[in-house]
Amino acid sequence: DGGITQSPKYLFRKEGQNVTLSCEQNLNHDAMYWYRQDPGQGLRLIYYSQIVNDFQKGDIAEGYSVSREKKESFPLTVTSAQKNPTAFYLCASSIGRDRDWDTEAFFGQGTRLTVV
Amino acid sequence: KQEVTQIPAALSVPEGENLVLNCSFTDSAIYNLQWFRQDPGKGLTSLLLIQSSQREQTSGRLNASLDKSSGRSTLYIAASQPGDSATYLCAVPWYSGGGADGLTFGKGTHLIIQP
Repeated sequence: DGGITQSPKYLFRKEGQNVTLSCEQNLNHDAMYWYRQDPGQGLRLIYYSQIVNDFQKGDIAEGYSVSREKKESFPLTVTSAQKNPTAFYLCASSIGRDRDWDTEAFFGQGTRLTVV
Repeated sequence: KQEVTQIPAALSVPEGENLVLNCSFTDSAIYNLQWFRQDPGKGLTSLLLIQSSQREQTSGRLNASLDKSSGRSTLYIAASQPGDSATYLCAVPWYSGGGADGLTFGKGTHLIIQP
């Protein structure tokens, strides 16, 4: 089955720790995205990548980092600089570049990160 | 900057009713609009993507309409069922050139269908 796999489903972070959330897709999509979801605030874009080895900051990139070494993978690291990391994190993909009309996004099942 | 608003924020109706969820956006320069469903603690499931050249898109009991000029979309759910209970989100893409750079989401409509 084609789709997006996020792992782990639940993640606990201690103060001062960096943690990495995994996102893998087998849809052969060029574009991948990370969103953060908080109650009452909706989804906000953290980082996005439209091609391997290139990525751009979204609206709330501070305290996060990403890499895009492979087309299939777009891991997100939540660093100790992120002061309020407790949230639900969602990864998405779409076909990508030069397809402005074809932006249908597909999402993973999410990772819930809690600071302990 | 694009803003997306969904009304109502919450809706509770008896099973079997037809209902309409509303979505409005401020910048009409969009290629399409996408409707999603989200169950508690889960990711987003794509329901319908409606292109700007289309007026309507249908999937089963769902029908989405899009009026770019007025900045509005509606999601119509026919003969609602308890299994339709979820949060419904609409989203529009934004661009800085060379493909969509992400989606701007509304805050969603939390729908409860009473058995």
